Parts: sequence; C-alpha cells; structure tokens
Amino acid sequence: NAGVTQTPKFRVLKTGQSMTLLCAQDMNHEYMYWYRQDPGMGLRLIHYSVGEGTTAKGEVPDGYNVSRLKKQNFLLGLESAAPSQTSVYFCASSYGRGFGSPLHFGNGTRLTVT
Amino acid sequence: EDQVTQSPEALRLQEGESSSLNCSYTVSGLRGLFWYRQDPGKGPEFLFTLYSAGEEKEKERLKATLTKKESFLHITAPKPEDSATYLCAVQVRSNDYKLSFGAGTTVTVRA
Repeated sequence: NAGVTQTPKFRVLKTGQSMTLLCAQDMNHEYMYWYRQDPGMGLRLIHYSVGEGTTAKGEVPDGYNVSRLKKQNFLLGLESAAPSQTSVYFCASSYGRGFGSPLHFGNGTRLTVT
Repeated sequence: EDQVTQSPEALRLQEGESSSLNCSYTVSGLRGLFWYRQDPGKGPEFLFTLYSAGEEKEKERLKATLTKKESFLHITAPKPEDSATYLCAVQVRSNDYKLSFGAGTTVTVRA
C-alpha cells in the first residue's frame, strides 16, 4: 500500500522548457491536490480535483495546468518553466472534501528552473 | 484574507525539555484546524484535527489545543525523534477544498 507516489523526485529545467509531474494514489480517494512549498511560506494550493475528469484552480494557478483522466492519477504540467517556479511540489489526496478529512501527501518533487 | 501565523519559526530543545508551539489564525468561520508533521525531504504527515474551541487531542508526547484565535501544540518531554517541522492549517467554511497553511515551526531536540 504505497499511498501517494510522486515522480520524479528531482528535476532541473531550463527557462522555457516544459515538463509534467505525475501523482498516483492507491487509496481510492476522490479529491486530489497540487501544492507548492517555498522557504518561509506555507504550502500554497495550485490546482485541485474533486473527481475523475474535473479540475479547478487554487490560489496560485498561473503557469500550471492539470489533468485528471483517471481517478488515481493527477498530472501537473508546466508549459514554459520560469525561475519563479523553482519550488518543492507536493501532491495530496483526501477521501472527502474536508471537515476533518485529512490530506495524505506524497514525498514531493524538487524542481529547479535555471 | 485568511491568515495563519506560526511561532516561533525555530525551536531548539534539550531532550526532556517540554515546550509549546503556537498557531494563530484570523479566518471567517473556522471549520477545522489541522496539525501536520513534516520530516526533511518528506511530505507532511497528518497528526490532529480540532473542530471547536476547548477541544484537545493527544498522541504520545504531543497534545494539541484550540481556542477561538489560536492553537497550541504542546510537546511533553521531547525525544530526538520528535525533531521535525510542525505545520498547522485551517479550513474555513466558505471554501471546503482549501487549507491555508502556516509556514511551520522547526523543532530540533538534542540528546
């Protein structure tokens, strides 16, 4: 039972390059989320999904796109990477939409954009 | 705008030296307050959910309490394995999907 798995663990991109981060969960959770974590700041929500085939914007969505074609997978794409997107990205999932339904996090992807 | 502030930013403790971490929040309608633990290079791991003022939750050496304006995470007789960053997050009634996270308190416990 792996929980939430993120790939890759590390990536270095040049400005303007594109990439996709993959998140997979095996807990049959409906809700999935992408967060970024920067030094001195709290985790910030990029995009989220309330079920297969749905996506919605979080608080910092600019420069990112997402897709949820299968319930267990949630992809985060960067079409044209910028140095400001250097961060650690965390995927999370939850059974419900909140009110006590805790988030289960992956171990993150450390992305550096040069 | 919802705000979550954690203090102190860093806390160095001697093994066995009890202390408390603070999470203060200004939100319109608290639905729940969450505490997470994060080890270096790992994702946050869920510890507690608190729903209403006066509520308390305990797990081993950790005890979380909640008032109308803040939450405390008390660490009693800490051990080196309690070293981690502790994050709090609030969920407000108007946005069920969104958690607002504080920046965390990094706790280091020396043997």
